[in-house]
Amino acid sequence: KQEVTQIPAALSVPEGENLVLNCSFTDSAIYNLQWFRQDPGKGLTSLLLIQSSQREQTSGRLNASLDKSSGRSTLYIAASQPGDSATYLCAVGRNVLRTGANNLFFGTGTRLTVIP
Amino acid sequence: NAGVTQTPKFRVLKTGQSMTLLCAQDMNHEYMYWYRQDPGMGLRLIHYSVGEGTTAKGEVPDGYNVSRLKKQNFLLGLESAAPSQTSVYFCASSSGTSDNNEQFFGPGTRLTVL
Repeated sequence: KQEVTQIPAALSVPEGENLVLNCSFTDSAIYNLQWFRQDPGKGLTSLLLIQSSQREQTSGRLNASLDKSSGRSTLYIAASQPGDSATYLCAVGRNVLRTGANNLFFGTGTRLTVIP
Repeated sequence: NAGVTQTPKFRVLKTGQSMTLLCAQDMNHEYMYWYRQDPGMGLRLIHYSVGEGTTAKGEVPDGYNVSRLKKQNFLLGLESAAPSQTSVYFCASSSGTSDNNEQFFGPGTRLTVL
């Protein structure tokens, strides 16, 4: 069974700082990897998706990398802002053969607080 | 487009009661998923569907049933609710089988079973 771990569980940084969130997984045979943002009491918003053949994806101030061989992904946030405060979730996809379904295995998240 | 919507947003049940959670999507997606989120644990897959009329078990299916009678709707049922089913339930959908098809999530249903 795929196990996904996110470290640290919580992180506080001053505004403007660059930061890295970490995600590790136990089974390297992944289909894809998604990073989500979750605000308190809200649903999940997809930030970035990295396909299994890719090494990284970028969107604005966000950059996600993937190293399947070591079972690691990182989410880099540049020039952090108070509006970035949220919980960030990493999810590893497993393709279900003959169905095409992509079942996601989630980490427990990193709760980020950006201090003005 | 509303995306993925869930009904209701909150619900309190007594042990043994039944209820149905409704998920609807207006993106014409084939694939739909039900997850539960509990404190200290990552989201876990309950059931999923690969198209109208199909359902399959996920990681934690016990105590739940699902139906996908229409492509746009995915229903999650609790026949006899238990306190262990107190959780936040999320529905998600995606368009296809390619590995670049992201899942889109609804706002969640917070369920408390007393």
